[in-house]
Amino acid sequence: DTGVSQDPRHKITKRGQNVTFRCDPISEHNRLYWYRQTLGQGPEFLTYFQNEAQLEKSRLLSDRFSAERPKGSFSTLEIQRTEQGDSAMYLCASSLIDSYETQYFGPGTRLLVL
Amino acid sequence: QQQVKQSPQSLIVQKGGIPIINCAYENTAFDYFPWYQQFPGKGPALLIAIRPDVSEKKEGRFTISFNKSAKQFSLHIMDSQPGDSATYFCAASYDYKLSFGAGTTVTVRA
Repeated sequence: DTGVSQDPRHKITKRGQNVTFRCDPISEHNRLYWYRQTLGQGPEFLTYFQNEAQLEKSRLLSDRFSAERPKGSFSTLEIQRTEQGDSAMYLCASSLIDSYETQYFGPGTRLLVL
Repeated sequence: QQQVKQSPQSLIVQKGGIPIINCAYENTAFDYFPWYQQFPGKGPALLIAIRPDVSEKKEGRFTISFNKSAKQFSLHIMDSQPGDSATYFCAASYDYKLSFGAGTTVTVRA
């Protein structure tokens, strides 16, 4: 399977703990996006990378959130001091620069903060 | 604020029926309007997309109708099948950023 992969698929944590998610995009895709999806809602844009550069961060991305994409390959999204409101599905997507509208999504990481 | 409004929240049709999902937007800068299909436990998958200079696009049993002056677009699923039961999201984008509607859960009864 050469699609976008995400790990872990599910994560349960206690409030105040730190969590880190990984996304592996489609290999030749140079753009990578993170979205958050809460129950009954559509995905909301969090941030995106072009190669290794993080080019935009949504206001939804508080200081407790940090994302990296070292060497322009996989990406990690870390949430520090998790809160119950962080419970959501975190989706990663990737695309080519010259066909950026066509974003391919991974299966997501479902986070539950107790 | 939600930039794309989607309705209905859910709908049920019989096999062979035509579920219709409607979306509206305000931002005239949007220049690409995709529809995504999402099954439980999976990420959204691109189904069909349209640009505002086209009024209709068909791909298989899926049709998008687009009304630029009304800033509305809709998805029709022709000859719907139980396997089409999923949540459908409309979206709109300019540059790289997708703005999604809240989703419509479609149930196709056999």
